[in-house]
Amino acid sequence: EAQVTQNPRYLITVTGKKLTVTCSQNMNHEYMSWYRQDPGLGLRQIYYSMNVEVTDKGDVPEGYKVSRKEKRNFPLILESPSPNQTSLYFCASSLVTGQGGYTFGSGTRLTVV
Amino acid sequence: GENVEQHPSTLSVQEGDSAVIKCTYSDSASNYFPWYKQELGKRPQLIIDIRSNVGEKKDQRIAVTLNKTAKHFSLHITETQPEDSAVYFCAAGFNKFYFGSGTKLNVKP
Repeated sequence: EAQVTQNPRYLITVTGKKLTVTCSQNMNHEYMSWYRQDPGLGLRQIYYSMNVEVTDKGDVPEGYKVSRKEKRNFPLILESPSPNQTSLYFCASSLVTGQGGYTFGSGTRLTVV
Repeated sequence: GENVEQHPSTLSVQEGDSAVIKCTYSDSASNYFPWYKQELGKRPQLIIDIRSNVGEKKDQRIAVTLNKTAKHFSLHITETQPEDSAVYFCAAGFNKFYFGSGTKLNVKP
């Protein structure tokens, strides 16, 4: 089944404790992206990657890191999480940018206390 | 950067009526305009999209129109059904994508 898999689904952590949210797609998509969703603000792009080893900042990249060492994986790293990073995070992929729309993962609800 | 505005924020219609959601964008370089439906507690799902070289696209009860000159695009849902109730997001961009803040559609039986 074609899908984007995110883990974990839920995570509660403490301020400053490094964490990684994993994202993997099995559709051979070139384009991958991370979004955060907050009430009233829609989805805001954190980082995106147009292919292996090619990443770029989205609209709200501060406090996040990403890497794209393999085509299928695009992990999101929070080196020192803070409470304002409490949010619902979605990973998404598309065949190439601007074509076919995104396939979204099931989301990761992160709470930083 | 791009700025996408979406209206209305909430929309309530009677089953069988039409619903229209409108978005405007600011960056003339944006060339791809998808629409997503997000049901409560679920991930967004693509329902229709349009590229900048096309003015209108239809898929059964759903249509999208794009006016590049005015930088606005709209989602039209005809013969609405209760299962159309969800939050709808528009988006615009080229490599980076910007989403509207969402429209909560309620279809009353």
